[in-house]
Amino acid sequence: AQSVTQLGSHVSVSEGALVLLRCNYSSSVPPYLFWYVQYPNQGLQLLLKYTTGATLVKGINGFEAEFKKSETSFHLTKPSAHMSDAAEYFCAVSDRIYGGSQGNLIFGKGTKLSVKP
Amino acid sequence: DAGVTQSPTHLIKTRGQQVTLRCSPKSGHDTVSWYQQALGQGPQFIFQYYEEEERQRGNFPDRFSGHQFPNYSSELNVNALLLGDSALYLCASSLAGGTQETQYFGPGTRLLVL
Repeated sequence: AQSVTQLGSHVSVSEGALVLLRCNYSSSVPPYLFWYVQYPNQGLQLLLKYTTGATLVKGINGFEAEFKKSETSFHLTKPSAHMSDAAEYFCAVSDRIYGGSQGNLIFGKGTKLSVKP
Repeated sequence: DAGVTQSPTHLIKTRGQQVTLRCSPKSGHDTVSWYQQALGQGPQFIFQYYEEEERQRGNFPDRFSGHQFPNYSSELNVNALLLGDSALYLCASSLAGGTQETQYFGPGTRLLVL
């Protein structure tokens, strides 16, 4: 069964510093991987996704993630943090039981990112 | 292009009552999934509807039921509410048959059970 582990429930960085949010997954099939962001009292917004092809994936707001099969990781990075990046970030893997389409998402517990001025 | 919409935004119920939450998918999408997000946790999958049928179900009791209408909108019903059902309920829509599945989430309905 698929699972996701996010290391660090809370990460704090200074404005302008590198953001690194860690995600490790477990999957019995080639995974589809996602990062979502959730601002306070809002739903989830897709940041980026990996399905097939290039292992370095670029998303919105300057975020990117690299799929590393050997490490079963999909860490999220951003070179320079902005105050507006403060939010909760969720890594997810798709449970692809229908031959690759429309599986449900299995989420990690989330990492809350704080950005200090 | 309207995104995923959910109603109501907030709801307060008492234990034992029943509640119905509603979701309209993003234009062009035909699959609706429901998730429960307890405070401080990641979302957990409840069930998914496609072609008006429940296609997948997570580890939730039968008190949780749903429906999908011909226009692809969906309802989530919870009977005999418990205090532990207090959570943010998220609806996500997607398009079946694609090779790059992406689920788009609505803003959620926050349910408080007293």
